[in-house]
Amino acid sequence: EAGVTQFPSHSVIEKGQTVTLRCDPISGHDNLYWYRRVMGKEIKFLLHFVKESKQDESGMPNNRFLAERTGGTYSTLKVQPAELEDSGVYFCASSPTQTGLEQYFGPGTRLTVT
Amino acid sequence: AQSVTQLGSHVSVSEGALVLLRCNYSSSVPPYLFWYVQYPNQGLQLLLKYTSAATLVKGINGFEAEFKKSETSFHLTKPSAHMSDAAEYFCAVSEPGSASKIIFGSGTRLSIRP
Repeated sequence: EAGVTQFPSHSVIEKGQTVTLRCDPISGHDNLYWYRRVMGKEIKFLLHFVKESKQDESGMPNNRFLAERTGGTYSTLKVQPAELEDSGVYFCASSPTQTGLEQYFGPGTRLTVT
Repeated sequence: AQSVTQLGSHVSVSEGALVLLRCNYSSSVPPYLFWYVQYPNQGLQLLLKYTSAATLVKGINGFEAEFKKSETSFHLTKPSAHMSDAAEYFCAVSEPGSASKIIFGSGTRLSIRP
């Protein structure tokens, strides 16, 4: 069974540009989560989808971040316009349940904003 | 509010020595507790989790952790370190019923000396 995949693995963009990160969850997992780790600090929750609906987006830092999950399969996270402080590693996780006990993480996308 | 504190951003032990990674949590309700590991260029992998059953939890690769409510701690141990244990370890907490977010500590990088 394929795990959670993320694309790209690494993205380098200039301040003010737009970047779209993609996450493909494990097949059949209705729950999809985004997290990010900035500057070697703790990994922080961004948001949680149940199928195509946003269950909890309390961790989204500001309106420059837009997450979508059309059709309830893969998800995208767009940053527009990117700022220097957005640099970090963005993780995606998926889960078959909503309990949070079985989150399977992808390898992450390292975003560098210059 | 929930929080996690990991003591020591970097721990170095000799091969064959005891591994002890410290974690303290703060939660207003009995929490779920986790230890995740991230090997280089890989995603986060769940080592073990505590869900209010046995206070001593055994995980993969010989690791275990003990939930101590009186000390609000969930330290991770392994009796004998192996070179393959070199990785970054994250302690995390979630609130039962929260259905989504996991709160992570800042991580501890474990190095193994030959």
